Amino acid sequence: DIVMTQSPLSLPVTLGQPASISCRSSQSLVHSNGNAHLNWFQQRPGQSPRALIYKVSNRDSGVPDRFSGSGSGSEFTLKISRVEAEDVGVYYCMQGTDWPLTFGGGTKVEIK
Amino acid sequence: EVQLLESGGGLVQPGGSLRLSCAASGFTFRNYAMTWVRQAPGRGLEWVSAITGSGGSTNYADSVKGRFTISRDNSKNTLYLQMNSLRAEDTAVYYCARDRPLSGWFFDCWGQGTQVTVSS
Repeated sequence: DIVMTQSPLSLPVTLGQPASISCRSSQSLVHSNGNAHLNWFQQRPGQSPRALIYKVSNRDSGVPDRFSGSGSGSEFTLKISRVEAEDVGVYYCMQGTDWPLTFGGGTKVEIK
Repeated sequence: EVQLLESGGGLVQPGGSLRLSCAASGFTFRNYAMTWVRQAPGRGLEWVSAITGSGGSTNYADSVKGRFTISRDNSKNTLYLQMNSLRAEDTAVYYCARDRPLSGWFFDCWGQGTQVTVSS
């Protein structure tokens, strides 16, 4: 199974400051179609998960442009350019390249 | 508006069975693969199972293989998860989610979840 490792576990951020979350996979996520199937989800407190970014860097509709994804191979990053209060929650990366699908352990973003 | 509504959760004894349902609306259900994801109390997300739009192909996490069965009824726009031989470690909120085609298993719509508690 592909193991997804996120860091940090917890990320205290000042409002208006940037935040960065790392996600590493135990093997390359490049699919046979040439794309890396690395996705990001956000889960606000008490809510269901929400789709953020697919295939490394594509924002879902309605996702603010302060969210961006980057990376390749087995190392990926989610960045928030300026953290807002509504960004508090847990962020998960997930690989869709191989079965079984696997999530990272999550990174909790909180306001300092 | 795209909506997914799970039901069927509850309290069940170890070794028991439950069937979860996920009613879909607002989109052409048969055109989308679907998935189940669970979240144990205070824990992260765990993928459970997925099924293609036609229902012809399914996949499972090792932790549920042989005990859980995913299925769908496209005439009723409903996704199911039959859970047998339940264990305490299956206690979780179970979410159904829709897969966006050609997006590498990107779940672009999630239900509100249904709680499953396995305890004597």
